[in-house]
Amino acid sequence: AQKITQTQPGMFVQEKEAVTLDCTYDTSDQSYGLFWYKQPSSGEMIFLIYQGSYDEQNATEGRYSLNFQKARKSANLVISASQLGDSAMYFCAMREPPYSNFGNEKLTFGTGTRLTIIP
Amino acid sequence: NAGVTQTPKFQVLKTGQSMTLQCAQDMNHNSMYWYRQDPGMGLRLIYYSASEGTTDKGEVPNGYNVSRLNKREFSLRLESAAPSQTSVYFCASGSYEQFFGPGTRLTVL
Repeated sequence: AQKITQTQPGMFVQEKEAVTLDCTYDTSDQSYGLFWYKQPSSGEMIFLIYQGSYDEQNATEGRYSLNFQKARKSANLVISASQLGDSAMYFCAMREPPYSNFGNEKLTFGTGTRLTIIP
Repeated sequence: NAGVTQTPKFQVLKTGQSMTLQCAQDMNHNSMYWYRQDPGMGLRLIYYSASEGTTDKGEVPNGYNVSRLNKREFSLRLESAAPSQTSVYFCASGSYEQFFGPGTRLTVL
């Protein structure tokens, strides 16, 4: 079974509009972490935002916020006031136990959403 | 401070050839990882190393070997390349936040 599901292969959004990228996850652990990465056409992976399973508030980083709904097992990324530079692939990822003392943090990635911002 | 560096950036191999992908990080991280990225499949973990001297298999280890040479360096070896190993390979390091290298685009003919 898919641990991370991103159901939107591609999205087109008008510049300056807000956009929500969907991510649902599957885990039986109580302690886990959720990440979003951006991959522009140049290919590098850029960390955007992190949400821990015990965090009571939704994470925010500038124009990025994570809409965390634990009971629904969803961790949607919200980008406010989209810009042309936001056009990229976006990946949701999850970190699960077991964690070693050395901080073994394996990530499981979704298949990604290609976001295109239209001027 | 270069972060995570990978060499080479591009490589074309013939079926059956071998090669080693190199990765180095200068952030003093204990954990390092190798992922592959295929179209429509996201990133999948090949091998990881939680500390110097230890390595473990990830989701798709078949056809690969790794060496954690020291704390800085983590290499990935293809002993006998196959067309199914055509992919983009990413090295990463870190724990809470993983920092990724620029990737190696490998084509096996």
